[in-house]
Amino acid sequence: LAKTTQPISMDSYEGQEVNITCSHNNIATNDYITWYQQFPSQGPRFIIQGYKTKVTNEVASLFIPADRKSSTLSLPRVSLSDTAVYYCLVGDMIGQGNQGGKLIFGQGTELSVKP
Amino acid sequence: NAGVTQTPKFQVLKTGQSMTLQCAQDMNHEYMSWYRQDPGMGLRLIHYSVGAGITDQGEVPNGYNVSRSTTEDFPLRLLSAAPSQTSVYFCASSEQGADGYTFGSGTRLTVV
Repeated sequence: LAKTTQPISMDSYEGQEVNITCSHNNIATNDYITWYQQFPSQGPRFIIQGYKTKVTNEVASLFIPADRKSSTLSLPRVSLSDTAVYYCLVGDMIGQGNQGGKLIFGQGTELSVKP
Repeated sequence: NAGVTQTPKFQVLKTGQSMTLQCAQDMNHEYMSWYRQDPGMGLRLIHYSVGAGITDQGEVPNGYNVSRSTTEDFPLRLLSAAPSQTSVYFCASSEQGADGYTFGSGTRLTVV
């Protein structure tokens, strides 16, 4: 399974755009890129998922270059409530390979938003 | 819909005891997984399943057993609890091909 590398921590201020980059050099053809958010004492919450190019939803945008060896989660105009740990994962969510549905979490990026 | 339900929410075990952590989902999801999260750490995959009757090991399977007799349920059994198994356990489920896993609220287990 592809291993992911993210910054351990990031600081930001309210109203700023935050970009968290994840490296996944060994991503496989069947792998999707998924980002989760986790608050203390809660289970992770799905944010966004993509395969290539750009994906946008009401919460964030995900930018994936053509070689798919990295991805960037973009959070527009963060607020204090966006303070959390953000995890980047790669995995076969379609199930075409023999690792279908298997998601491995890395250490994540601890984002701290300050007033 | 209740989503992913984990029981119990809290449990204290003595070393050597066995117990089963329950996980149930009502979304007809094929994929289910168990993770453990130690304080200040990321989640580690214990076991996962891609459908009823099909399970496989994750990163840290030793000391745990699973079975998937129905689509809805995916219990995690601790065979002989050890202090090293003190952790928060999360169950998650997903529809194959869908966007991401839905996580339960967790079971906080302490082994003394």
